[in-house]
Amino acid sequence: EAGVAQSPRYKIIEKRQSVAFWCNPISGHATLYWYQQILGQGPKLLIQFQNNGVVDDSQLPKDRFSAERLKGVDSTLKIQPAKLEDSAVYLCASSAGRWNEKLFFGSGTQLSVL
Amino acid sequence: DAKTTQPTSMDCAEGRAANLPCNHSTISGNEYVYWYRQIHSQGPQYIIHGLKNNETNEMASLIITEDRKSSTLILPHATLRDTAVYYCIVSLRGGNNRKLIWGLGTSLAVNP
Repeated sequence: EAGVAQSPRYKIIEKRQSVAFWCNPISGHATLYWYQQILGQGPKLLIQFQNNGVVDDSQLPKDRFSAERLKGVDSTLKIQPAKLEDSAVYLCASSAGRWNEKLFFGSGTQLSVL
Repeated sequence: DAKTTQPTSMDCAEGRAANLPCNHSTISGNEYVYWYRQIHSQGPQYIIHGLKNNETNEMASLIITEDRKSSTLILPHATLRDTAVYYCIVSLRGGNNRKLIWGLGTSLAVNP
């Protein structure tokens, strides 16, 4: 069974630039999550999709972050413009359903904002 | 805010059992306890979860106290590859959704 795929693995940008991350969840998984993990901390949920609808985006900084899940499969997370404090690992995860908390994670994208 | 309390770090000798404690004194009756681990530079990995009864799978055992206010994750024969940060998580109910709130976890070092 293929796992959750994320790209790129690493990204370095300057502040005020834009960046996008891509995620392909496990086939058939209806629920997709984007987490932000700052060094030394646990993951923080940014947004949760159920198929192509948003279930929870209460912690997404909507003035600069956006996410979409086209056709309920792949997802893209965008930051525009980036700030220094956005430096973190961005993790994508998927699960079989919103009540199923057995999440499968990708390896993440490590973002450095200079 | 995290609803669990875990020690910041622990050590364990290779081949011995690793017992990782977690306090979740405010857990509600239908909230589950989940354990994940995160090896360096990787995404978190699901280990086990439980509600009331003790659980065991190929990776670990989960012991939940009768009052459900605390639990212990047991790795029966720790190996060097078990060195990781271990997260104890209580699922949070809100509206028609349930989500995991992650704390800081316990950094487990398995030593040769």
